[in-house]
Amino acid sequence: AQKITQTQPGMFVQEKEAVTLDCTYDTSDQSYGLFWYKQPSSGEMIFLIYQGSYDEQNATEGRYSLNFQKARKSANLVISASQLGDSAMYFCAMREATGNQFYFGTGTSLTVIP
Amino acid sequence: DTGVSQNPRHKITKRGQNVTFRCDPISEHNRLYWYRQTLGQGPEFLTYFQNEAQLEKSRLLSDRFSAERPKGSFSTLEIQRTEQGDSAMYLCASSLTLSYGTDTQYFGPGTRLTVL
Repeated sequence: AQKITQTQPGMFVQEKEAVTLDCTYDTSDQSYGLFWYKQPSSGEMIFLIYQGSYDEQNATEGRYSLNFQKARKSANLVISASQLGDSAMYFCAMREATGNQFYFGTGTSLTVIP
Repeated sequence: DTGVSQNPRHKITKRGQNVTFRCDPISEHNRLYWYRQTLGQGPEFLTYFQNEAQLEKSRLLSDRFSAERPKGSFSTLEIQRTEQGDSAMYLCASSLTLSYGTDTQYFGPGTRLTVL
């Protein structure tokens, strides 16, 4: 089974609107971390936001927030007030506390339309 | 403030040649990871170091691949007898172990390998 599933290969959003990128995960560990990364066309993976499995509050970092629904095993990324520079690939990732690997999804390509 | 750096950024080689990539992590980070990313996919884990010890290797890592991290600082990834299927972006990431075991990885810009 896939550890991380991102079901949206591509998304479009109007500039200044909000957009939600979906991510579901699969783990039997109680302790794990969930991460979102942005990868522009230049190729570098840029860390955006982190959510720990024991965190009760949804993580927020500026225009990014993580909608964490533990029972549903989902960790959706919400980008508010989209900007043209947000156009990129977005990857959801998970690390289980018992392991050393990061598991990445296949990514969602976001295009912001002026 | 310097992030993770990787050299070279691009490498073109002929099939059968050996190549070596270097990664310099963030200086205080004790963990270092190598990933491979092909077009349209997320990064795939290759191997992981804690300080100088290589603690985990993916089954993806064939015998032609070897990684080192002498003295727990920079790391090198060598691919021997390259094949066209090795063409990919090779990403390095580093992190600092946190007490509860879920640490954030910071990535370098990657080395794009093309095998002709």
